[in-house]
Amino acid sequence: EVQLVESGGGLVQPGRSLKLSCAASGFTFSNYYMAWVRQAPTKGLEWVASITNSGGSTYYRDSVKGRFTISRDNAKSTLYLQMDSLRSEDTATYYCTRDVGGYWGQGVMVTVSS
Amino acid sequence: DVVMTQTPVSLSLAIGQPASISCKSSQSLLGTSGKTFLNWILQRPGQSPKRLIYQVSKLYSEVPDRFSGSGSETEFTLKISRVEAEDLGVYYCWQGTHFPHAFGSGTKLEIK
Repeated sequence: EVQLVESGGGLVQPGRSLKLSCAASGFTFSNYYMAWVRQAPTKGLEWVASITNSGGSTYYRDSVKGRFTISRDNAKSTLYLQMDSLRSEDTATYYCTRDVGGYWGQGVMVTVSS
Repeated sequence: DVVMTQTPVSLSLAIGQPASISCKSSQSLLGTSGKTFLNWILQRPGQSPKRLIYQVSKLYSEVPDRFSGSGSETEFTLKISRVEAEDLGVYYCWQGTHFPHAFGSGTKLEIK
């Protein structure tokens, strides 16, 4: 059974950093592109970043470029999202997904507030 | 960047009625691989999103066959032949052909 389990969320002050993790199981992690998708309270889904199966290429939405870094450790079957210089508008539930939404984690809440 | 325009914003339907949701992209979603990465996602109230359809028209194995997807290039449609109570939630299209990826704004399906 495919499982994606996010962790690392919480309350953080503007300008600070947070690192999300997504532990994958039930499939060969190194074979798949992975992505982070977020959802601000009462809003729709928003793609954040993607990474190729090898980790050799990464892609970001403009509003997080230069602040967020997506990475992966295929040996640990884990996806990461390093979030720096956080802003209030980054407040959202962050989901880890496989492929283009083939599987989803349960989500982790990130709140950026002073 | 590709812009996804999804309509309608909401639907209120009785059980057994058909449903149709449109998703239009600002440029063709046919990729250089010959594949079109237009997927449909359902988010039920209080739940994580779940997969429905990938590459325009391919149903994931657990999805009932009352769901169908169609379209090409820039115009895509999700149809439910007969709505059931469990179908309520917000439906999103997601284009994964071009970076940055993009979602439609969502269609909320309510059951009368």
